[in-house]
Amino acid sequence: NAGVTQTPKFQVLKTGQSMTLQCAQDMNHNSMYWYRQDPGMGLRLIYYSASEGTTDKGEVPNGYNVSRLNKREFSLRLESAAPSQTSVYFCASSPTRDRGPGELFFGEGSRLTVL
Amino acid sequence: AQTVTQSQPEMSVQEAETVTLSCTYDTSESDYYLFWYKQPPSRQMILVIRQEAYKQQNATENRFSVNFQKAAKSFSLKISDSQLGDAAMYFCAYRNNAGNMLTFGGGTRLMVKP
Repeated sequence: NAGVTQTPKFQVLKTGQSMTLQCAQDMNHNSMYWYRQDPGMGLRLIYYSASEGTTDKGEVPNGYNVSRLNKREFSLRLESAAPSQTSVYFCASSPTRDRGPGELFFGEGSRLTVL
Repeated sequence: AQTVTQSQPEMSVQEAETVTLSCTYDTSESDYYLFWYKQPPSRQMILVIRQEAYKQQNATENRFSVNFQKAAKSFSLKISDSQLGDAAMYFCAYRNNAGNMLTFGGGTRLMVKP
């Protein structure tokens, strides 16, 4: 039962470096999300994809780009990492709204440190 | 935009006792969904319980129950017979009926004392 799988689990970057966080889900969900978690601030939405072929900005999109590669995969890219992007990143997926409350199913998180 | 507030950064409870975590939210919608998620030290986010706003009956899941007060925009989580494994961060979350995303509160850290 893989669910939502994120890679890598840990990454250390230097300021200005780029990297991509990968996410894949095997639950045939239409919607996928990227959140970041910072102490005392809960989870904040970076980008989401309501369905294959669409992406939309969330609350904190600056400095990030996303790609919905196919129904299963949704990647998050940092083009030029900054120390303010040090955080724990969560990928999540959810079924379509008309199939229930639309709770999110989360990956295990990726801890990113930018020096 | 909707906001979700958890006013208790930390709570503690004695094992086997009952504890209530608070959550309030701001919305002008009448139809929406509320959730409580648990995040243990492993970091994995686990759904604890959900509540549909159109349902008057409070949701329950084993030792977990909610007190949903729609008029007051309050959604508290009660954990009965607390266990050591309940120690975690707990997040309240909101989604309106038309929305695609969940809005989270800042979290409450629950400590369980043996």
